[in-house]
Amino acid sequence: AQSVTQLGSHVSVSEGALVLLRCNYSSSVPPYLFWYVQYPNQGLQLLLKYTSAATLVKGINGFEAEFKKSETSFHLTKPSAHMSDAAEYFCAVRDPGAGNMLTFGGGTRLMVKP
Amino acid sequence: EAQVTQNPRYLITVTGKKLTVTCSQNMNHEYMSWYRQDPGLGLRQIYYSMNVEVTDKGDVPEGYKVSRKEKRNFPLILESPSPNQTSLYFCASWGVSGNTIYFGEGSWLTVV
Repeated sequence: AQSVTQLGSHVSVSEGALVLLRCNYSSSVPPYLFWYVQYPNQGLQLLLKYTSAATLVKGINGFEAEFKKSETSFHLTKPSAHMSDAAEYFCAVRDPGAGNMLTFGGGTRLMVKP
Repeated sequence: EAQVTQNPRYLITVTGKKLTVTCSQNMNHEYMSWYRQDPGLGLRQIYYSMNVEVTDKGDVPEGYKVSRKEKRNFPLILESPSPNQTSLYFCASWGVSGNTIYFGEGSWLTVV
């Protein structure tokens, strides 16, 4: 069965610092990978997705993620945090080898300090 | 416009009173799924459907039922709601290619 692990349920960075949110997955075949952001009291917004093209994926709001097959990882980064980045972030995996199920990680709440 | 529509968006109900949360998509997607979101637990899958009349349990199916009689609709049924089903619920749909996942806006359900 596929699984998604997000290391760190809470991450705190200073404004202007590097943001690194970790996501590891297990999948029987090369999966499709997604990062979503959720602002307070709102729905899910797609940040970026990996669909077997380039391994380095650029998304909205300056975020990017790199698919590393050997490490089964899809970590999300942003060079310089902004106060408006404070939100909850979810990594998700769609596994063609598991009936195309979409599975989410537990989420990481990003806090940005002034 | 491509969309997933959930109703109701907000509901306060009492223990034991049956309720249905509807989910409808207009993209002819094969796959649909229900998730519940609870603080610290992320989004957990309740039920999943691969096509009409094909459904499967997710990680937390207890207390829920679903049906997929038509491709566009995937209602979530709480036969006898309990307070531990107080949560934020999301419906999602995607096609065979699965490059884009569409989510409903969420349904806030409170069971008292």
